Amino acid sequence: EDQVTQSPEALRLQEGESSSLNCSYTVSGLRGLFWYRQDPGKGPEFLFTLYSAGEEKEKERLKATLTKKESFLHITAPKPEDSATYLCAVQASNDYKLSFGAGTTVTVRA
Amino acid sequence: GAVVSQHPSRVICKSGTSVKIECRSLDFQATTMFWYRQFPKQSLMLMATSNEGSKATYEQGVEKDKFLINHASLTLSTLTVTSAHPEDSSFYICSAFGGGAGEQYFGPGTRLTVT
Repeated sequence: EDQVTQSPEALRLQEGESSSLNCSYTVSGLRGLFWYRQDPGKGPEFLFTLYSAGEEKEKERLKATLTKKESFLHITAPKPEDSATYLCAVQASNDYKLSFGAGTTVTVRA
Repeated sequence: GAVVSQHPSRVICKSGTSVKIECRSLDFQATTMFWYRQFPKQSLMLMATSNEGSKATYEQGVEKDKFLINHASLTLSTLTVTSAHPEDSSFYICSAFGGGAGEQYFGPGTRLTVT
């Protein structure tokens, strides 16, 4: 069974204080690892897909990296508008379903 | 980017009644749609996979007679919660998959409250 574990559960940052979120996973053949952002009361917003170890993707202040066992989402010089819950999900090579982690709730104080 | 809509965004119904939620892919054809449920401060739990023109596949523990799914076209899937009870109150979110790289694009969600 696919498993996704995210840490920490919550992260409080000062504006400009860079940090990283972790997503550890086990999956029977990885098709893709996905990062989403979710604001309260809204559906998840797609951020990145990573397909193979060593791959990196960037979008504004966010950078996602992937190894064979985990992924990191780095937030560089965060702003209050980066406050959200960040969800990690994996997709196995034999299916298109997503298995989600519990998420990391990031709060950035001005 | 790919846009997925849901209707209604919020619904309140009485116990014992049925509620239908629509999920539409607005700018692409979705071969597969997924329905999730999310309880407060919890992550998304997949309920079922909906393929256009065929029966939905339900996850273990999800009652297929209670949560009826119809994927009538490549842009529309519906979830009907039948004989709703207060414990069905939750945030229901759909996602649409158009093939290719595997990304799923999510709708804005529907908040269901059963009184």
